[in-house]
Amino acid sequence: QVHLQESGPGLVKPSETLSLTCTLSGGSISGYFWSWIRQPPGKGLEWIGYIYSSGSTNLNLPFQSRVIMSVESPQNQFSLKLTSVTAADTAVYYCARGGVGDRSLDSWGRGTLVTVSS
Amino acid sequence: DIVLTQSPGTLSLSPGERATLSCRASQSIANNYLAWYQQKPGQAPRLLIYGASKRATGIPDRFSGSGSGTEFTLTVSRLEPEDFAVYYCQQFGSSPRITFGPGTKVDI
Repeated sequence: QVHLQESGPGLVKPSETLSLTCTLSGGSISGYFWSWIRQPPGKGLEWIGYIYSSGSTNLNLPFQSRVIMSVESPQNQFSLKLTSVTAADTAVYYCARGGVGDRSLDSWGRGTLVTVSS
Repeated sequence: DIVLTQSPGTLSLSPGERATLSCRASQSIANNYLAWYQQKPGQAPRLLIYGASKRATGIPDRFSGSGSGTEFTLTVSRLEPEDFAVYYCQQFGSSPRITFGPGTKVDI
């Protein structure tokens, strides 16, 4: 059974870089699209972008200038970096797996709350 | 950009009743690449339906999806106590590649 776990600092200062890693167990990175989604407290879901197992990415327009995604297949991990954060970036960040067809997200991590505050 | 609109915003029902949730897209969704998720407080979303009408693994058959083009529906035939949650639709297609609707809360 696929299990995803997000990890990274829970507190980031304004203007700094938010860095998160998602570790996969019970499956392989290969052949899937790996998404990052965030959810501000009390609000809806916002897709940040995804990275394919080959390393190609597709990012949501609002994030294109601030996001770097990477994949480390041997470690079964993929990562998110969001630069120049502000309080508006405070959210629960989820990683999730999407299939080759419709990219429906069939496995999700539990999510990690990242607060941007000085 | 494709924008998803969900209605109603909140649906107040009782256990045993039927729930009908709507998701409307601003443009036609190709290949019916429309999914539905359930999210309970403090939990990650869970995939219910993909491809507009296919149930994900382990999803009870009281959940069903239908629709095509720009109009999609999630139906819960008989609400169980554990079904009270927020439901999101999501499309995959043109820019942005993945979009979520704002959600419908189903409460008692």
